[in-house]
Amino acid sequence: DQQVKQNSPSLSVQEGRISILNCDYTNSMFDYFLWYKKYPAEGPTFLISISSIKDKNEDGRFTVFLNKSAKHLSLHIVPSQPGDSAVYFCAASVGKGGTSYGKLTFGQGTILTVHP
Amino acid sequence: GAVVSQHPSRVICKSGTSVKIECRSLDFQATTMFWYRQFPKQSLMLMATSNEGSKATYEQGVEKDKFLINHASLTLSTLTVTSAHPEDSSFYICSARGRGGGQPQHFGDGTRLSIL
Repeated sequence: DQQVKQNSPSLSVQEGRISILNCDYTNSMFDYFLWYKKYPAEGPTFLISISSIKDKNEDGRFTVFLNKSAKHLSLHIVPSQPGDSAVYFCAASVGKGGTSYGKLTFGQGTILTVHP
Repeated sequence: GAVVSQHPSRVICKSGTSVKIECRSLDFQATTMFWYRQFPKQSLMLMATSNEGSKATYEQGVEKDKFLINHASLTLSTLTVTSAHPEDSSFYICSARGRGGGQPQHFGDGTRLSIL
């Protein structure tokens, strides 16, 4: 049972445009959501997170939106840059008391390619 | 930022060999470390969670006698794949989380294990 799903295996975007990566989840107990970026032969790098008490969190070019009723989150990157080309994983966890990250359940990843 | 070092990055060995993989947090104390396994084109699957000084908690379906985890200090956890067989060939990756609430997991660069 895939509790976290990234239904788009790949996304291609022109430099300067917006990249929108989507993620759906089924477990209503999840209350923390994270996005990681992964280059080949490297481990995932933490990008941005959001708590279920919020619906938006922004950090520079990266914004994560959470729609709890739809059990959907998205990562917006604007403007997109060629260096953003990587695999993006969303992950979810059930925290304790809303203050910590528990074990993560990952989506399958989306390959983002940003063309110059 | 937080740095997690994983060693070795690649191992090729004969069937029946035991292989040890190290995961170190270089600039923070990792109260909790996680071990994941990733099959081709699939998401990261959590194998076990270890807290410093206590026994690891294994996910369902993961053989604890096959995958020995030791978290002896706040900066080091090891995963030993005992009597490895070709079906154990995979990409193994660790992550570490520091003290305090709201700390994301930081990942090592992974170990590609190939059993001949």
